[in-house]
Amino acid sequence: DGGITQSPKYLFRKEGQNVTLSCEQNLNHDAMYWYRQDPGQGLRLIYYSQIVNDFQKGDIAEGYSVSREKKESFPLTVTSAQKNPTAFYLCASSTGQGGQETQYFGPGTRLLVL
Amino acid sequence: GENVEQHPSTLSVQEGDSAVIKCTYSDSASNYFPWYKQELGKGPQLIIDIRSNVGEKKDQRIAVTLNKTAKHFSLHITETQPEDSAVYFCAAVKIDKLIFGTGTRLQVFP
Repeated sequence: DGGITQSPKYLFRKEGQNVTLSCEQNLNHDAMYWYRQDPGQGLRLIYYSQIVNDFQKGDIAEGYSVSREKKESFPLTVTSAQKNPTAFYLCASSTGQGGQETQYFGPGTRLLVL
Repeated sequence: GENVEQHPSTLSVQEGDSAVIKCTYSDSASNYFPWYKQELGKGPQLIIDIRSNVGEKKDQRIAVTLNKTAKHFSLHITETQPEDSAVYFCAAVKIDKLIFGTGTRLQVFP
């Protein structure tokens, strides 16, 4: 998993609650990504950031929010507007922009709804 | 937009046999194609990648081939071992993002 850490490993969310997933990297990478993984659907991009203080929506951004205040950190908040949050969430980083640099993944956070 | 299809969804082979996973993409402008291996409960790990200026790349028992005309690329694993058992994902670049296939679960039986 390289120098990318995600916490917690498991997270439980109650109805109407916002939860935040942590992603930290010590690889000095400029770009960071958040993906959602559901069984049989591969990885889908939620948000990505190519530089500090800037981020873009991916294909399934509704119900999620992010911030990129530091180069090393890219937290993801799953809001109460996300009606089906149960999934495996993966954070990744890469050296550069353009999607053509190798993306290194963290170990993931599994989010479950109580 | 880019769409990546991956086949088969599951693949079972005997130890020592070869395994082949195929992906097709729709955007002819795509020029970077990585392959990831994901073990249960872990994040994906890059195992090999190929760029559109080459047709084949090999790394020990793993090889990837790319046919730009047909817009498909394949992962070849030779002399499979039980530790090759995992889910494998292909991906293709869409502008500045990676689009992933739906994955292939490979099982290698001893």
